[in-house]
Amino acid sequence: DGGITQSPKYLFRKEGQNVTLSCEQNLNHDAMYWYRQDPGQGLRLIYYSQIVNDFQKGDIAEGYSVSREKKESFPLTVTSAQKNPTAFYLCASSIIGREQFFGPGTRLTVL
Amino acid sequence: DQQVKQNSPSLSVQEGRISILNCDYTNSMFDYFLWYKKYPAEGPTFLISISSIKDKNEDGRFTVFLNKSAKHLSLHIVPSQPGDSAVYFCAASVQGNQFYFGTGTSLTVIP
Repeated sequence: DGGITQSPKYLFRKEGQNVTLSCEQNLNHDAMYWYRQDPGQGLRLIYYSQIVNDFQKGDIAEGYSVSREKKESFPLTVTSAQKNPTAFYLCASSIIGREQFFGPGTRLTVL
Repeated sequence: DQQVKQNSPSLSVQEGRISILNCDYTNSMFDYFLWYKKYPAEGPTFLISISSIKDKNEDGRFTVFLNKSAKHLSLHIVPSQPGDSAVYFCAASVQGNQFYFGTGTSLTVIP
């Protein structure tokens, strides 16, 4: 049963703490992406990766970091440098150049 | 600067009638377009795509039209059903690389 999983669904963090969001896919897709959605806004690209051990910044990469040590996994770390981290985070994967398939999302709230 | 715009935040349609969702873009290099459907607190679900070599693509009740000269695409849903009530996002890219998403249109289908 192929798909993309994100965990946890809800995450709470205190100000000043780093937190890592998980994203795993078993679709054998080369490309993986992280987006952020805020109320009334579209999806904004944080980082993407088209190959293991390589990734590129999107439009809003500041305050975030990623790694791509395995094809199946693309974790996102929200660092304390991210000024407004409360948002809905979406991970996606795709065959390069094709439509993206999204996970269920993680709602991060900073207390 | 928003390269993909959905100027109607919301749309209400009677069940059985046609829903038309619109999307405008500014970058003439965009050549691959997607439509997604999204329910609250879930990831977007891919609906339909179109490449710039076509001006129409159809899949069941969903048809996407592309007008390259006007930099405009639209999604038609016929007939509309209550289960179609969701937020619809359009997205555009150059050769399937980084996708730029619109801000979404919330569709309500009234029974």
